[in-house]
Amino acid sequence: DSGVTQTPKHLITATGQRVTLRCSPRSGDLSVYWYQQSLDQGLQFLIQYYNGEERAKGNILERFSAQQFPDLHSELNLSSLELGDSALYFCASSRPGLGSDTQYFGPGTRLTVL
Amino acid sequence: GQQVMQIPQYQHVQEGEDFTTYCNSSTTLSNIQWYKQRPGGHPVFLIQLVKSGEVKKQKRLTFQFGEAKKNSSLHITATQTTDVGTYFCAGRETSGSRLTFGEGTQLTVNP
Repeated sequence: DSGVTQTPKHLITATGQRVTLRCSPRSGDLSVYWYQQSLDQGLQFLIQYYNGEERAKGNILERFSAQQFPDLHSELNLSSLELGDSALYFCASSRPGLGSDTQYFGPGTRLTVL
Repeated sequence: GQQVMQIPQYQHVQEGEDFTTYCNSSTTLSNIQWYKQRPGGHPVFLIQLVKSGEVKKQKRLTFQFGEAKKNSSLHITATQTTDVGTYFCAGRETSGSRLTFGEGTQLTVNP
């Protein structure tokens, strides 16, 4: 158990819909990262937040957005869903500092778009 | 931007054989990390290498960081079925920049 929680575990929805994925980082971790992993693919970095502010952006589509709240939990919003958005979405957290930037991954949310 | 390439993409071995995955960065790295993802699971941190030429061991796993800090390798001696999974390297270009993950090497071990 990494200490990072993600809800829901599974999500099945239809094309054109909007969903929200939630992540709670490890206690004390200020950074949250979102990754997308399609079937048998690598980890595609989407976005990073640090203490409530956007820190880095990867290959995140305009239909996707995220935010980190004052209590440090984060939400990833996916809208106008397409079949190709079906994937595992991982959240990871870290506590940036000298030699302490290990990322701890949550169990992931499996999104299926029908 | 920074690219981290990993080879091979897939590796099938017989139990007891050795296994090596290689990671190459397009830029010099400040550090490199390795993660393992079991089938159906999430990536789990294995180790971090920081110094040029650094070698670290964890039981049957040996991790190396190249002298130029642009490449790294993970070697598993005498693989076991518990080693099955995908191994990712992740490089950090400078202190404070984000990690860039390689595509991963998916290891299958036949008993």
